[in-house]
Amino acid sequence: GQQVMQIPQYQHVQEGEDFTTYCNSSTTLSNIQWYKQRPGGHPVFLIQLVKSGEVKKQKRLTFQFGEAKKNSSLHITATQTTDVGTYFCAGYSGGSNYKLTFGKGTLLTVNP
Amino acid sequence: DVKVTQSSRYLVKRTGEKVFLECVQDMDHENMFWYRQDPGLGLRLIYFSYDVKMKEKGDIPEGYSVSREKKERFSLILESASTNQTSMYLCASSFGIQFFGPGTRLTVL
Repeated sequence: GQQVMQIPQYQHVQEGEDFTTYCNSSTTLSNIQWYKQRPGGHPVFLIQLVKSGEVKKQKRLTFQFGEAKKNSSLHITATQTTDVGTYFCAGYSGGSNYKLTFGKGTLLTVNP
Repeated sequence: DVKVTQSSRYLVKRTGEKVFLECVQDMDHENMFWYRQDPGLGLRLIYFSYDVKMKEKGDIPEGYSVSREKKERFSLILESASTNQTSMYLCASSFGIQFFGPGTRLTVL
C-alpha cells in the first residue's frame, strides 16, 4: 500500500535557526497536505498543495510540492518558540478520495 | 466555527470491558475517520466512513468496530478492551481537508 515517509523524526533548534522537514511518498500523490499538532493538542490543517512544483508561503513557512508529486517539504525560517510541535504531511494517492495517508511526523522543539 | 467533538478527553477502563468512543461533527461532512496515535508511530487509521451506515477498514482495524447511524456521529467500539489498546484516539471529519477532534486518551488497566 501507499507509504509516506517523513524525516527527520525529531529536530531540536535554537530560536532563530531555520528548520526543514521532508516528506516522500512511495506513489504519486494527487495532492499533499500539511498539519501541525501542538503539544497536548490535535492536528490542525496548515495547507494543501495540488500542482506539480507548487510553492506556497505562509509568513515564515514555505511549502513545496515536488515536480513528480511524490515529495514535499516544509521550511520554517527563523524559528520561534511558537513553532514547537509535530508537523505531519499527508497525501491522497490516485486510488482513493477518502483515505489520507499520514507521515509519522517531525517533532520540532525550539530552545529559546 | 467548525467543530468536531469527542465524548471524553480522558477515559480509564478495565481489561475486557466494552468501550464506546463517540465523535460528533457539525459540518455536514460525509467522511469521518478514527485514528489512534502512539509515540513514534504517528497517526494510524482504524476505520473510516464515507456515508451513513458505510464503513471501511483502515490499517489497524483488529479489535475495533464502528457505527455510523447518523451523518454527524461516528462511534468507535472496543468490544473487549485490552491493555495494548491504551492510546490516544482521534476522530476527524473531512471534505478533503481533515478536521480533528480534541482526542480521547484511553487507558486500559
